[in-house]
Amino acid sequence: EVQLVESGGGLVQPGGSLRLSCTASGFTFNTYWMHWVRQAPGKGLVWVSRINSDGSIITYADSVQGRFTISRDNTKSTLYLQMNSLRAEDTAVYYCTRGVAAARGNAFDIWGHGTMVTVSS
Amino acid sequence: DIQMTQSPSSLSASVGDRVTITCRASQGISNYLAWYQQKPGNVPKLLIYAASTLQSGVPSRFSGSGSGTDFTLTISSLQPEDVATYYCQKYNNAPSLTFGGGTKVEIK
Repeated sequence: EVQLVESGGGLVQPGGSLRLSCTASGFTFNTYWMHWVRQAPGKGLVWVSRINSDGSIITYADSVQGRFTISRDNTKSTLYLQMNSLRAEDTAVYYCTRGVAAARGNAFDIWGHGTMVTVSS
Repeated sequence: DIQMTQSPSSLSASVGDRVTITCRASQGISNYLAWYQQKPGNVPKLLIYAASTLQSGVPSRFSGSGSGTDFTLTISSLQPEDVATYYCQKYNNAPSLTFGGGTKVEIK
């Protein structure tokens, strides 16, 4: 079964850090673009960051540029998101998603269940 | 940045009705558009990419059309299980992979 499982969310104070992980199974992880997408409570979807199959191309949304770092370990089929200098507006469910090859890797066909990040004092 | 505007923001229709949701890009994006369905309490699901290509396993009552700046998602015969929020997403140009604001579909 093709699956993405996120972990690492939780409650953190403003200015703090968290590292999210996403473990993939059921497909050849090292051939796909991977992304993080977030959704604040009761709000819409917001793309956060992407990384290509070998980690050589990385891009970020303006709202997280300089604070978040995406990475991957293809030997472990795992995607990461290091989040620093967290703000209240970063509070959201964070989804790990797989990029569709036929859509330049930039539409998302497989989604994890999401992990909640709450930034609050 | 290219903005994606969906309309309406919500709609209520009867079972069996034809439902159309519109997504407009502030600049041309060719056919680099995807549609997603998010049922209450669930994760999003890809319905359509490349504006009109149905993702595997998606019922044929869903269809997409458009190119350039104007796109539509059509549900040919609304079913109770289609109650959800629908999002469009442009993917023509990273880094901005922008979603529309969503359209909430309910049964009348």
